[in-house]
Amino acid sequence: QLVLTQSPSASASLGASVKLTCSLTSGHSSYTIAWHQKQPEKGPRYLMTLHSDGSHRKGDGIPDRFSGSSSGAERYLTISSLQSEDEADYYCQTWGTGIQVFGGGTKLTVL
Amino acid sequence: QLQLQESGPGLVKPSETLSLTCSVSGGSISSSSYFWGWIRQPPGKGLEWIGSIYYSGSTYSNPSLKSRLTISVDTSKNQISLKLSSVTAADTAVYYCARHKRGQIVGPTTIDYWGQGTLVTVSS
Repeated sequence: QLVLTQSPSASASLGASVKLTCSLTSGHSSYTIAWHQKQPEKGPRYLMTLHSDGSHRKGDGIPDRFSGSSSGAERYLTISSLQSEDEADYYCQTWGTGIQVFGGGTKLTVL
Repeated sequence: QLQLQESGPGLVKPSETLSLTCSVSGGSISSSSYFWGWIRQPPGKGLEWIGSIYYSGSTYSNPSLKSRLTISVDTSKNQISLKLSSVTAADTAVYYCARHKRGQIVGPTTIDYWGQGTLVTVSS
């Protein structure tokens, strides 16, 4: 079964960097995922598509501070030079034939 | 700039049918490159995929909702619609419309645009 696992919460200081993790289930380590940002009272925002080799393609207008990387079944979202507006929920998304799966989301707090 | 706008009643009674429409502007819903989908977020919870549709009418649905779900497309109006029957309080959520890129084999893939969402409350 295709499942994405995310830590429920993360925190980092203003100006620092943070690395969020999305874990694919065993047997699905080659899957491509997408990262999305959900700020309070706003619709989600597509950040990037991230492949198993670490290559990624970002959405329109996504700052260079956002980057992605991969290792095995792990997919990472790194946000550098954290700003207050980065405080949000971050979701990973993947897909199989005819199905869509979301991770449970990580709530990022900027201290 | 692509825009997706959800619309529909904000309050639905239990056992009735929830109906929403997503209007797409700044792009054609008939593009062969994309699917169009519905995703929801119950209060305090994460995102849940509901289903997705191609302009031809081909659909994919969340198995847990499939028996109650109808997703349709109106290319003349550049809209997709969602109907969810026999609703309960568990269907209370913000409902989002989204665009998926189309995969060669798997159907809908990454979501690259989202609507702002609309809150639907199920209550008598």
